[in-house]
Amino acid sequence: GDSVTQMEGPVTLSEEAFLTINCTYTATGYPSLFWYVQYPGEGLQLLLKATKADDKGSNKGFEATYRKETTSFHLEKGSVQVSDSAVYFCALSVLKTSYDKVIFGPGTSLSVIP
Amino acid sequence: GAVVSQHPSWVICKSGTSVKIECRSLDFQATTMFWYRQFPKQSLMLMATSNEGSKATYEQGVEKDKFLINHASLTLSTLTVTSAHPEDSSFYICSARKREGTYEQYFGPGTRLTVT
Repeated sequence: GDSVTQMEGPVTLSEEAFLTINCTYTATGYPSLFWYVQYPGEGLQLLLKATKADDKGSNKGFEATYRKETTSFHLEKGSVQVSDSAVYFCALSVLKTSYDKVIFGPGTSLSVIP
Repeated sequence: GAVVSQHPSWVICKSGTSVKIECRSLDFQATTMFWYRQFPKQSLMLMATSNEGSKATYEQGVEKDKFLINHASLTLSTLTVTSAHPEDSSFYICSARKREGTYEQYFGPGTRLTVT
């Protein structure tokens, strides 16, 4: 079945450090890939997305490239800030004729310390 | 924009009572809405998919008689937890999709339910 795997957390970084959160997926068909962010006590916000192979999603300094050959969608940011502390979810969606749902990875908690 | 609201944001109820959670798309019409459940420090698990004017489709293992979903209009879906028990305590999140054939879902802020 369709699934998403993320690197285990929690991840703790110093401010201005480089961030990578690995994400790999298994899917039938041609999924769209997403990164969502959840700040403490809040719902999910879409951070970025890519809908086909080799697309690069980017937003707020975060980037991720849809790599079909390695079935990966790793999240990167060159210089993290304290305000980036949150839980990050990698997700996929496969749109079918009568079925559509988003499958989330387990989430990776990020803490950025000053 | 695409804003989804939920009400209430948090609720405490006694065991055995029922509680209703509303999910509204504020500035768009949502043909499909989704309900998720999130346990502490865990990922979101899809509970059900609801299409306006039709019965909800529940995921395997979700009791449809316990979690009643109504999608009465293109901007409102409700989740009613019937005869709630402490194990139903969780963070419930809804999302809405604008129209068929699109991938993106817009998420509400979530509702924290505590059953005592």
